[in-house]
Amino acid sequence: EAGVAQSPRYKIIEKRQSVAFWCNPISGHATLYWYQQILGQGPKLLIQFQNNGVVDDSQLPKDRFSAERLKGVDSTLKIQPAKLEDSAVYLCASSSSGWTDTQYFGPGTRLTVL
Amino acid sequence: QQPVQSPQAVILREGEDAVINCSSSKALYSVHWYRQKHGEAPVFLMILLKGGEQKGHEKISASFNEKKQQSSLYLTASQLSYSGTYFCGTVRTSGAGSYQLTFGKGTKLSVIP
Repeated sequence: EAGVAQSPRYKIIEKRQSVAFWCNPISGHATLYWYQQILGQGPKLLIQFQNNGVVDDSQLPKDRFSAERLKGVDSTLKIQPAKLEDSAVYLCASSSSGWTDTQYFGPGTRLTVL
Repeated sequence: QQPVQSPQAVILREGEDAVINCSSSKALYSVHWYRQKHGEAPVFLMILLKGGEQKGHEKISASFNEKKQQSSLYLTASQLSYSGTYFCGTVRTSGAGSYQLTFGKGTKLSVIP
């Protein structure tokens, strides 16, 4: 079974630029999550999708971050404009249904904002 | 609200045991445990559900005290491969009818020969 795919793996941008990350979850997984992990800390949930609908985006900084999951499969997370404090690893995870199921994480995208 | 993990770091010799604790000030629906090695994504270890049901990893065990909102992860006869940072994630209702997973800051475990 193929795992969660993410791209790019690394991205370096200057502040005020925009950036987009892509995630392809495990086939058949209805729930998709985006996390932000700052160095030395645990992952922080940004947004959760159930199929193509948003379940929870309470911790997503909506003035600069946006995410979509068209057709209930792939998802993109965008930051516009980026700030220095956005430097982090952005992790995508998926699970077959909800919180009682295992979350499988992708390899992450390491973002550096200069 | 972020759960509190203890200890922050621990060093073990191969074969020794360790306990990692996770506590929350809020009522919990479930507790998740993950291990993350340096530069890699977190890997699932175990889920503990309210009501006592336990799922998980064959070589590592855990408990969940719902009344105290605490969970403990038990690693016995540690192996070098156990090294990494262990995160607990607590799931509670977010107030909007959905559930929210919040991770602790992690416990760094180092197993030495």
